Amino acid sequence: DAGVTQSPTHLIKTRGQQVTLRCSPKSGHDTVSWYQQALGQGPQFIFQYYEEEERQRGNFPDRFSGHQFPNYSSELNVNALLLGDSALYLCASSRGGETQYFGPGTRLLVL
Amino acid sequence: AQSVTQLGSHVSVSEGALVLLRCNYSSSVPPYLFWYVQYPNQGLQLLLKYTSAATLVKGINGFEAEFKKSETSFHLTKPSAHMSDAAEYFCAVNSGGSNYKLTFGKGTLLTVNP
Repeated sequence: DAGVTQSPTHLIKTRGQQVTLRCSPKSGHDTVSWYQQALGQGPQFIFQYYEEEERQRGNFPDRFSGHQFPNYSSELNVNALLLGDSALYLCASSRGGETQYFGPGTRLLVL
Repeated sequence: AQSVTQLGSHVSVSEGALVLLRCNYSSSVPPYLFWYVQYPNQGLQLLLKYTSAATLVKGINGFEAEFKKSETSFHLTKPSAHMSDAAEYFCAVNSGGSNYKLTFGKGTLLTVNP
């Protein structure tokens, strides 16, 4: 049983660029959440998608946007990258939103 | 509003000693509580969860946690530390209902000395 998968594993971008991160949920899960984990910090909730709609959003600017596809996979897009966007981006999947299972993450470095 | 406080950013124990990692939460409604472990350069792995059933919760790798409503605590314990337990541990709360986000503590780094 494949767990949550994310791609790419690592990414280097420059300020002002745009980035797209991808996530495939665990089999049987219909909900995807995204978190940002800065170095030395706990993960911070960005948003959650369910039935292809954004169900809840954390305190992140509109530069952060997402999408969920009919097969439940999801993308996180970040526009106009800032140095402060450098972090580990974690995707978590769940069935209905209760217990969330995390993927390995995508490490983004903005130069 | 919900929040989590993990007391001690770094805990060091000897192999075979008791592990105690502290977590206090704040939630306006009965919470769901979780402990996750993160090994270097990896994602988060679920250790255990409390979802209003038994107050003593057993998880993987010999860990357990006890929900104490009166103390708003959910401390993580393991009777005997193993070298492989060295990792970062995160406590998280979800207030349920229409609030789906997990709110995490800042984490506790556990080191195990031989």
